[in-house]
Amino acid sequence: SQQGEEDPQALSIQEGENATMNCSYKTSINNLQWYRQNSGRGLVHLILIRSNEREKHSGRLRVTLDTSKKSSSLLITASRAADTASYFCATDNNAGNMLTFGGGTRLMVKP
Amino acid sequence: DAGVIQSPRHEVTEMGQEVTLRCKPISGHDYLFWYRQTMMRGLELLIYFNNNVPIDDSGMPEDRFSAKMPNASFSTLKIQPSEPRDSAVYFCASSPTALGGYTFGSGTRLTVV
Repeated sequence: SQQGEEDPQALSIQEGENATMNCSYKTSINNLQWYRQNSGRGLVHLILIRSNEREKHSGRLRVTLDTSKKSSSLLITASRAADTASYFCATDNNAGNMLTFGGGTRLMVKP
Repeated sequence: DAGVIQSPRHEVTEMGQEVTLRCKPISGHDYLFWYRQTMMRGLELLIYFNNNVPIDDSGMPEDRFSAKMPNASFSTLKIQPSEPRDSAVYFCASSPTALGGYTFGSGTRLTVV
């Protein structure tokens, strides 16, 4: 069963705008990860944030984690057409021995 | 490193036939995962291995599915007999740890007609 759920399911923005995607999960976690999937390709790991961290940056990506609300957000600043993809959050399962993935957010960035 | 390598990229087969999907993980990664992705069910974990040993196969949908990892550099996922509802993209991923960042292969798109 899915632990994380992304919101919104789909997002369409103009190039240069910021894109924010959210992930909610149900049980306590060790870490939370975000992945990107381009059409017809495998998932690519973007960033990992541990349960004791609140914010993390990687280039134009900013991830926040609020363990009290069991939620995370992924912010992509100054979006580009190449950012068009599906974005998934992943959390460890109840046993803490593997990742489960949410349903993803489909992001479209229009040039 | 060439990353996780899966073959074939596409497979079209008739219902009832045996299908074998192959995966070569990244050298040194102790964990290997098989996922299935469909529009209806998203990404589902089928089975994972640690040091070539199957640890959790609770996601394998039926006895028609089986997976092996005879050595650290090769794994197979077999479906016998295949059914149209098995049509999906099957991904293999590997990782140095159970909860580290996973490296995914490009997937095998399986179509059973």
